[in-house]
Amino acid sequence: EAGVAQSPRYKIIEKRQSVAFWCNPISGHATLYWYQQILGQGPKLLIQFQNNGVVDDSQLPKDRFSAERLKGVDSTLKIQPAKLEDSAVYLCASSRYSGANVLTFGAGSRLTVL
Amino acid sequence: AQSVTQLDSQVPVFEEAPVELRCNYSSSVSVYLFWYVQYPNQGLQLLLKYLSGSTLVKGINGFEAEFNKSQTSFHLRKPSVHISDTAEYFCAVSEGSAGGTSYGKLTFGQGTILTVHP
Repeated sequence: EAGVAQSPRYKIIEKRQSVAFWCNPISGHATLYWYQQILGQGPKLLIQFQNNGVVDDSQLPKDRFSAERLKGVDSTLKIQPAKLEDSAVYLCASSRYSGANVLTFGAGSRLTVL
Repeated sequence: AQSVTQLDSQVPVFEEAPVELRCNYSSSVSVYLFWYVQYPNQGLQLLLKYLSGSTLVKGINGFEAEFNKSQTSFHLRKPSVHISDTAEYFCAVSEGSAGGTSYGKLTFGQGTILTVHP
């Protein structure tokens, strides 16, 4: 089966600019996650979707980050305006259902904010 | 809430030597435990997982891990490493019972960089 697709792989922006990342999960996977991985740290969950509904966004900085999964398939994560501390790899993962305990990760989108 | 501590940030080892990457966790509820590997410029790949049953679990690429509930540990081992095992390894935990707010969500440790030298 095809894996989790993410784009772009790399993005460099100036602070206060905006950026959007796209994720297409494995076909049939109802649950989608966005993780933020800062250099030297483990991934941190930003938001979890079940189909097109948000299950958990408690760690999403909502003043600047937004995410949507309108049709319950692909998802977009947006940052506006970006700060220097947003430099990180943004990982998308999917699983068949919430609690499936096997997450498949995409290759990630590396963001550098100058 | 759960937390994970990986006790070594970097582990250098020579090829064909054994290796152990240490992981301790903290949780007030039962947990599921995982080890993921991340090669440069790639996503995370599942190495192995403990959900229930035997405390010794075997994964891909010859890795194994042992769940020790009394010591709240889940150390990763390999008896003989290869150059291709050079990567960053992440220990992760999720809540082990349905209905909890953290069910299905992974909390990761900070990672251990394993470097295998020829």
